[in-house]
Amino acid sequence: KNEVEQSPQNLTAQEGEFITINCSYSVGISALHWLQQHPGGGIVSLFMLSSGKKKHGRLIATINIQEKHSSLHITASHPRDSAVYICAVDEGYGQNFVFGPGTRLSVLP
Amino acid sequence: NAGVTQTPKFQVLKTGQSMTLQCAQDMNHEYMSWYRQDPGMGLRLIHYSVGAGITDQGEVPNGYNVSRSTTEDFPLRLLSAAPSQTSVYFCASSYGAGGTYEQYFGPGTRLTVT
Repeated sequence: KNEVEQSPQNLTAQEGEFITINCSYSVGISALHWLQQHPGGGIVSLFMLSSGKKKHGRLIATINIQEKHSSLHITASHPRDSAVYICAVDEGYGQNFVFGPGTRLSVLP
Repeated sequence: NAGVTQTPKFQVLKTGQSMTLQCAQDMNHEYMSWYRQDPGMGLRLIHYSVGAGITDQGEVPNGYNVSRSTTEDFPLRLLSAAPSQTSVYFCASSYGAGGTYEQYFGPGTRLTVT
């Protein structure tokens, strides 16, 4: 079974700071997902990666398949970015997702 | 599209009671899954389905049953509720494109077993 770790567990930043959240996993995967869970509880998918780098607005996600590592970057952070960010790996082409414990981000104005 | 819907949003049960958590999706997704989320732990897979009539167990299936008679619906049954089943339950559906599967989550059901 894949072991998915995230760091840091908790992160407090000032508005405007550049933020990095890291994810590592132990076994080869078909894809890695970054999810966002807001205080209300809803979970939305931010990125799905099988290689390289993706960018949506101020969010950038990268993955290094050889090192089994991914990073989520937030540029020019804003209080509305405050949420739990979850890394999930797909071990079996959609049939078996393993989730990290999440990183709780608070961005202060 | 309504996406993935779950009912109820909140539920309190007494130990030993049974109930069904409902999940429906209107996106014609082939895959559906049930997860539970507990404090300090990642989401854990309870059961999943790769299509109507096909289900399989995930990491933590004990105490739960599922069935998938239609593409749209994937109910989760608690047979005899226990306090250890107090959790937030999420249903998700996904579709595949080029070998990768994006997941769409329902809003969650917060269950308390007393």
